[in-house]
Amino acid sequence: KQEVTQIPAALSVPEGENLVLNCSFTDSAIYNLQWFRQDPGKGLTSLLLIQSSQREQTSGRLNASLDKSSGRSTLYIAASQPGDSATYLCAVLNQAGTALIFGKGTTLSVSS
Amino acid sequence: DGGITQSPKYLFRKEGQNVTLSCEQNLNHDAMYWYRQDPGQGLRLIYYSQIVNDFQKGDIAEGYSVSREKKESFPLTVTSAQKNPTAFYLCASRLGQKEKLFFGSGTQLSVL
Repeated sequence: KQEVTQIPAALSVPEGENLVLNCSFTDSAIYNLQWFRQDPGKGLTSLLLIQSSQREQTSGRLNASLDKSSGRSTLYIAASQPGDSATYLCAVLNQAGTALIFGKGTTLSVSS
Repeated sequence: DGGITQSPKYLFRKEGQNVTLSCEQNLNHDAMYWYRQDPGQGLRLIYYSQIVNDFQKGDIAEGYSVSREKKESFPLTVTSAQKNPTAFYLCASRLGQKEKLFFGSGTQLSVL
């Protein structure tokens, strides 16, 4: 059974720092991986979607990488800002497209 | 604006009462989903629907029911059989089974 783990559960950094969030999964037979952002009491906002055939995706200050063979993905945030404070979740989709498994998220706090 | 609308934002349920959470999307997406989110836990799938008039149970369907009479609407009923309904409920949709997933803003359900 696929399991998705995000470490650390919480992270605090000063403004301007570059940081990396980690996502690991136990079954490498995935179709794609998606990173989301969630603000307190809100729904999830899609950040990046990486297909299993891709190595990375970039959007602005965000860069997500995927190493399917080792079961790992990272979300790199450059020059962090207080507005980046939120919970970041990753989710993997199985190859049949029938099951999307979420991690529990990493809660990021960026101080000014 | 295209998007997913969930209502109400907050809902209170009395003992023995059924309540219905609304989810409407104008993205012309075929697939719609209901997730439950509890503090400190990942999202868990309740029900999903790939096409109109068809839906499937997810991992935690007991005590819940859904309908999909129209492509744009996927209401969730929390029945009195659900003994621990307090949670944040999220509706999501996507164009196809392997496309990017989009979320509504959520409904917080509490028990009186």
